[in-house]
Amino acid sequence: DAGVTQSPTHLIKTRGQQVTLRCSPKSGHDTVSWYQQALGQGPQFIFQYYEEEERQRGNFPDRFSGHQFPNYSSELNVNALLLGDSALYLCATQPGPNTGELFFGEGSRLTVL
Amino acid sequence: GIQVEQSPPDLILQEGANSTLRCNFSDSVNNLQWFHQNPWGQLINLFYIPSGTKQNGRLSATTVATERYSLLYISSSQTTDSGVYFCAVLESGGYQKVTFGTGTKLQVIP
Repeated sequence: DAGVTQSPTHLIKTRGQQVTLRCSPKSGHDTVSWYQQALGQGPQFIFQYYEEEERQRGNFPDRFSGHQFPNYSSELNVNALLLGDSALYLCATQPGPNTGELFFGEGSRLTVL
Repeated sequence: GIQVEQSPPDLILQEGANSTLRCNFSDSVNNLQWFHQNPWGQLINLFYIPSGTKQNGRLSATTVATERYSLLYISSSQTTDSGVYFCAVLESGGYQKVTFGTGTKLQVIP
């Protein structure tokens, strides 16, 4: 049973660029959430996708957007990158939007120069 | 939104010692999980425990939902237990987000 997989694992971008991160859910999971974890901080909720729609959103600007595909996989897009966007981006999946145990991928570590 | 606080923020233990980590939350929750984040950033599931008590080897957890707290017990600590421990809660009602606690950084020294 494959767990949550994320790609890429590491990437470096420059200010102003755009980035796309990808997540494939654990088998049987249809709900995907994204989190940003800055160095020394806890994960902060960005948004949640269920049935290909954004269902909940945290306190992040519109530069952060996402998508969920019919196979439940998801993408996180960040436009106009800022230095402060440097962080570990974590994808979490669960078997429903309000239920079940949350499982995390290994994360994508983004560095913005 | 819900507030989730963990204590202590930092903890240093001698190998073999026991410890108790606490998670307090400000509102009713549907779910509560404990995670261990290793030095590479991977969040490892420890317990899914909205209420009651569970044990897994040297670790056990108790959640008292009516009093809005959860405890994680680590017995006979090992150096591999080092890392950051997070509790995370899912608020009740509708589409809700998971909120992480402030974390407890544990260092186990030989």
